[in-house]
Amino acid sequence: GESVGLHLPTLSVQEGDNSIINCAYSNSASDYFIWYKQESGKGPQFIIDIRSNMDKRQGQRVTVLLNKTVKHLSLQIAATQPGDSAVYFCAAWENNAGNMLTFGGGTRLMVKP
Amino acid sequence: GAVVSQHPSWVICKSGTSVKIECRSLDFQATTMFWYRQFPKQSLMLMATSNEGSKATYEQGVEKDKFLINHASLTLSTLTVTSAHPEDSSFYICSARNHRGTDYGYTFGSGTRLTVV
Repeated sequence: GESVGLHLPTLSVQEGDNSIINCAYSNSASDYFIWYKQESGKGPQFIIDIRSNMDKRQGQRVTVLLNKTVKHLSLQIAATQPGDSAVYFCAAWENNAGNMLTFGGGTRLMVKP
Repeated sequence: GAVVSQHPSWVICKSGTSVKIECRSLDFQATTMFWYRQFPKQSLMLMATSNEGSKATYEQGVEKDKFLINHASLTLSTLTVTSAHPEDSSFYICSARNHRGTDYGYTFGSGTRLTVV
């Protein structure tokens, strides 16, 4: 089955700096990836997604990069703000698993003022 | 945008009782809903896939008699934790796939924190 994991459990950045959160996946058949933000005691919130036919997608202050060769994706947050402090999960959609999403282990982003 | 309403947000119950968690899609029809469990500082673990009008599909290791799932309509799925015990204390989250055009959007509920004492 799919395995999606993150390299770092906790990332601490200074307010205003850029943040980079990484994620690796194992199923080369995955063709859709999503980054979610989860604040304490709340459900995950959609941030940005990317399909496997793309290698970069930009949103407001966020960019997702996909490297299918090494099965790696990253989330870049520009000018990180205190409100960005949360746990970030990547998720991969499995082609052979119907509508199921598989989540990575999560990275806690802590923004220092 | 698509909204999934989950209720209750927080529940404390005595060991041995059953707790029902509801998940509603407010502005779209969800033929499939997903139920996740999340322990502190851990990722979401899929428990089961709830299909409208049919039996839920449970992940390996999830007791179907313990976690009863009902998906009676296109907008409502329920998860009942039967005979709850302290080890069932966790954060339960539902999600639904919003089929709109080519959008593969998954919308999550706000989660239910279950504490069994």
